[in-house]
Amino acid sequence: QKEVEQNSGPLSVPEGAIASLNCTYSDRGSQSFFWYRQYSGKSPELIMFIYSNGDKEDGRFTAQLNKASQYVSLLIRDSQPSDSATYLCAASNAGNNRKLIWGLGTSLAVNP
Amino acid sequence: DAGITQSPRHKVTETGTPVTLRCHQTENHRYMYWYRQDPGHGLRLIHYSYGVKDTDKGEVSDGYSVSRSKTEDFLLTLESATSSQTSVYFCAISAPRQDQHGYTFGSGTRLTVV
Repeated sequence: QKEVEQNSGPLSVPEGAIASLNCTYSDRGSQSFFWYRQYSGKSPELIMFIYSNGDKEDGRFTAQLNKASQYVSLLIRDSQPSDSATYLCAASNAGNNRKLIWGLGTSLAVNP
Repeated sequence: DAGITQSPRHKVTETGTPVTLRCHQTENHRYMYWYRQDPGHGLRLIHYSYGVKDTDKGEVSDGYSVSRSKTEDFLLTLESATSSQTSVYFCAISAPRQDQHGYTFGSGTRLTVV
């Protein structure tokens, strides 16, 4: 069974702090990894993708990938109350009809 | 969301009735997916399509059928709705460079079966 696992949270951080969200995956054939943000009552929206080992930065967001450890993380710097949402991690194996394997999500609360 | 729309946005239906949800895209993408999302279960794949008239089952396909007669439309039918099918349903499309773009989701349909 191919799985993506995330801590459900809630993860609570003060405004201005760094939020660290983690994800592990079981399928070593996974090639691309995605972080989606989902506000309550809304659809998921893509915020980061990564497919090479190491760090990838985009504004306040940094995605980190370690394929040897099968570990993906998302760092949010200078967290804002507007970052309060559920963050979904997903993994892709390109040969799988592009089906993504989804984690259950981590709920993040940024407190003013 | 730009390029993908779902209808209806909300629906209340009675147990035992058939229900059809529509997903329409203007991106001309080949791959389309139907998910349901429930607390504690996350996103679960119902059916997906990899081209016109080409569809396959996901992990929770029982009680659901799909059709794709045109690239732009992917229909999900609940053949005889049950209370366990009360959920939020999302349609998603996959861009050709999925490794860089992942999925784009529609706004969702909130379905209540009473």
